[in-house]
Amino acid sequence: EPEVTQTPSHQVTQMGQEVILRCVPISNHLYFYWYRQILGQKVEFLVSFYNNEISEKSEIFDDQFSVERPDGSNFTLKIRSTKLEDSAMYFCASTRGQGLTEAFFGQGTRLTVV
Amino acid sequence: DQQVKQNSPSLSVQEGRISILNCDYTNSMFDYFLWYKKYPAEGPTFLISISSIKDKNEDGRFTVFLNKSAKHLSLHIVPSQPGDSAVYFCAASAEFGNEKLTFGTGTRLTIIP
Repeated sequence: EPEVTQTPSHQVTQMGQEVILRCVPISNHLYFYWYRQILGQKVEFLVSFYNNEISEKSEIFDDQFSVERPDGSNFTLKIRSTKLEDSAMYFCASTRGQGLTEAFFGQGTRLTVV
Repeated sequence: DQQVKQNSPSLSVQEGRISILNCDYTNSMFDYFLWYKKYPAEGPTFLISISSIKDKNEDGRFTVFLNKSAKHLSLHIVPSQPGDSAVYFCAASAEFGNEKLTFGTGTRLTIIP
């Protein structure tokens, strides 16, 4: 069964450092997403990406965040200068994008900023 | 602004009985609703969905009911099994094609053997 894969599973970084979280979405999917879940809170939408550009982003997704699809398979989330409050589980997801279809999520990357 | 609410943070149910998880929403533009199951340190796993043109969708032990006038949906699991113990998230989508999901806060379901 196809799945969304994320690497690394856990990333520890010092405040102010740049991190790149990586995702390989399901191959025939067209929409890609990043969500995050701060410990004990709900899963929050960060950004959606379609046709090689951002289609929507939340207020959380400020100038410190960027996404890229550098090749035909990877989808990355970069945080330029991490803050303590960026510590969370980050989930990548993808959908076929043809309307009313479920999103498939990766297993997540736990980001810890110290 | 909590557009999707799950008012019960936790629920305990005896094995074999019915588990009913509830979800309310405020945004009348939502037209697609999903339930996800999540284990610790894993990503959400899709369970079942329903579009706003239906009021019920069934898949094995899982049934989702939608009451549009009340802006309420529920997930029924019957019979409940120990492997159903997890956090269940209700999610909703408002835009055809974009499908950004708005999640509720989750309900931790514990099935008691």
